[in-house]
Amino acid sequence: AQSVAQPEDQVNVAEGNPLTVKCTYSVSGNPYLFWYVQYPNRGLQFLLKYITGDNLVKGSYGFEAEFNKSQTSFHLKKPSALVSDSALYFCAVRVPLGGATNKLIFGTGTLLAVQP
Amino acid sequence: DGGITQSPKYLFRKEGQNVTLSCEQNLNHDAMYWYRQDPGQGLRLIYYSQIVNDFQKGDIAEGYSVSREKKESFPLTVTSAQKNPTAFYLCASSMQDRVFYEQYFGPGTRLTVT
Repeated sequence: AQSVAQPEDQVNVAEGNPLTVKCTYSVSGNPYLFWYVQYPNRGLQFLLKYITGDNLVKGSYGFEAEFNKSQTSFHLKKPSALVSDSALYFCAVRVPLGGATNKLIFGTGTLLAVQP
Repeated sequence: DGGITQSPKYLFRKEGQNVTLSCEQNLNHDAMYWYRQDPGQGLRLIYYSQIVNDFQKGDIAEGYSVSREKKESFPLTVTSAQKNPTAFYLCASSMQDRVFYEQYFGPGTRLTVT
């Protein structure tokens, strides 16, 4: 079965410290991976994606993610956390449904709390 | 939240009533989606549509219905048959492209049924 796992419900980090939000996946074929962020009572905002190529993907707001095929992981990282980064983060994987049809499978989300 | 609007932001209904959630996009995307979000469960796909006048059931379609009469619009009806309708509902759209596939989300509608 195709799935995405976010093993941590919450990650706490001090402002200015590096942060990592973990994601592992299980898909058949080449994975297309995504990270989204959600602020309270808002929709999801796209951060970055991995399709192919360089394993280190750079995205919005200084975030980056590292694709590791052997570990089937796609961890989200940022060198220096800001209080404003506090939000709910979702990892997702694209699942083809046939032809040009696709859907995204989302992880359960990780709440990032950055303390001042 | 891009070019996707959802209305209303908050919706309250009595049990046994049908309710329709609005979703409109001006991104010229062919594909549109409805998700339900519950605490600790991530997002679950209710229905999706790849083209006007065509839509498919997602993973949790029971108790829901949709229509796609216009490219810009994809309304979701939560029927009285949905056993646990209280949730946060998110609409999304995307290009029909293998590479540029990221979905863009609306701001969501929080439905409370009592």
